[in-house]
Amino acid sequence: ELKVEQNPLFLSMQEGKNYTIYCNYSTTSDRLYWYRQDPGKSLESLFVLLSNGAVKQEGRLMASLDTKARLSTLHITAAVHDLSATYFCAVVSGGSNYKLTFGKGTLLTVNP
Amino acid sequence: KAGVTQTPRYLIKTRGQQVTLSCSPISGHRSVSWYQQTPGQGLQFLFEYFSETQRNKGNFPGRFSGRQFSNSRSEMNVSTLELGDSALYLCASSLYSVSGNTIYFGEGSWLTVV
Repeated sequence: ELKVEQNPLFLSMQEGKNYTIYCNYSTTSDRLYWYRQDPGKSLESLFVLLSNGAVKQEGRLMASLDTKARLSTLHITAAVHDLSATYFCAVVSGGSNYKLTFGKGTLLTVNP
Repeated sequence: KAGVTQTPRYLIKTRGQQVTLSCSPISGHRSVSWYQQTPGQGLQFLFEYFSETQRNKGNFPGRFSGRQFSNSRSEMNVSTLELGDSALYLCASSLYSVSGNTIYFGEGSWLTVV
């Protein structure tokens, strides 16, 4: 059974600082997703990472994938308050391109 | 273009009742999947449909069922509701592409069972 672990689960950081969220998964997968969720809202797609060594960047967020280590990272650069949200990673599983197994999420709070 | 549309957005049901939730995918998307989100269990996969066929099913009891219509719209049904079924139910749709299939989520249906 595929397991996806994120850490940390809670992250409080100051504006302007950098930090990294880690996502480990237990079985082989070649597709990993990052989502953002604001309180009471749905999931907003951030990145789709398809292959080993994939790196994608959008604004202050950069995601990478190491399929050999079964590890993805979401790096936050010079955090701003607007980045406060819960971030989920999700991995496809079960031989399907559409069945996602999610991590528990990282609640990020960026303080002034 | 329009996103994934879910109805109703909010509903309150009584234990033992049943509920039907509807999802209209993004135009052209033929894959529709459903997820349940609760504070305790997080996001859990319910089922996935493609071209009216259920291709994957999560680890939920038979009270949870779904279907997909020829226009790709999907419904899920929960019978004999229990308090623990209170959750946000999210529908997602996807269009496969070589560059990687982004999976888009709807706003969700908030179900409260009392």
